[in-house]
Amino acid sequence: DGGITQSPKYLFRKEGQNVTLSCEQNLNHDAMYWYRQDPGQGLRLIYYSQIVNDFQKGDIAEGYSVSREKKESFPLTVTSAQKNPTAFYLCASSIDQGSSQINTEAFFGQGTRLTVV
Amino acid sequence: AQTVTQSQPEMSVQEAETVTLSCTYDTSENNYYLFWYKQPPSRQMILVIRQEAYKQQNATENRFSVNFQKAAKSFSLKISDSQLGDTAMYFCAFRRAGSYQLTFGKGTKLSVIP
Repeated sequence: DGGITQSPKYLFRKEGQNVTLSCEQNLNHDAMYWYRQDPGQGLRLIYYSQIVNDFQKGDIAEGYSVSREKKESFPLTVTSAQKNPTAFYLCASSIDQGSSQINTEAFFGQGTRLTVV
Repeated sequence: AQTVTQSQPEMSVQEAETVTLSCTYDTSENNYYLFWYKQPPSRQMILVIRQEAYKQQNATENRFSVNFQKAAKSFSLKISDSQLGDTAMYFCAFRRAGSYQLTFGKGTKLSVIP
């Protein structure tokens, strides 16, 4: 079945460590996104990528880094510079939204819960 | 910049009854898209319904319908015949045409009571 797979589901990190969250999609979507969700907050955009080897900062990119070496993959690294990394992270993808296509919604993975210990 | 406001942090409804969730947004754009997403306890975001701003007709998907008032910048979600499986967080979201960014509201927690 087509979809978005995030791994791991739960992740624990010691302070000062970098960790990488995986996101893979087999929907052949061009655009991919990383969102952060905190209690009582909506989703906030960290980074997004329109095509391979290109990505743009979202609203809260500080302390995070991404890569897009393959169309199917968009891993997120939470660096030690991120002061409050404990959160729920959601990856999403969509057909190229730069056009006027009707399918403008984003499809989401099941998320990764990151906890700093 | 666009903002999306959901003024009801929590709501409850009796099973089989109807409930309406509110959403307002602020934008100077004329061409955009609006969405309602559902996040059940599993935490996976699921698209419930979408509306194109250029369409005057309100979108409907089975028990879910919207009341889109473009001039008032209002986009409410009506759930008819509520079911226990409708218990979830509901997020309203906005996307400007040609943009890659979705702007989300803070969500409404809906509880369906048996």
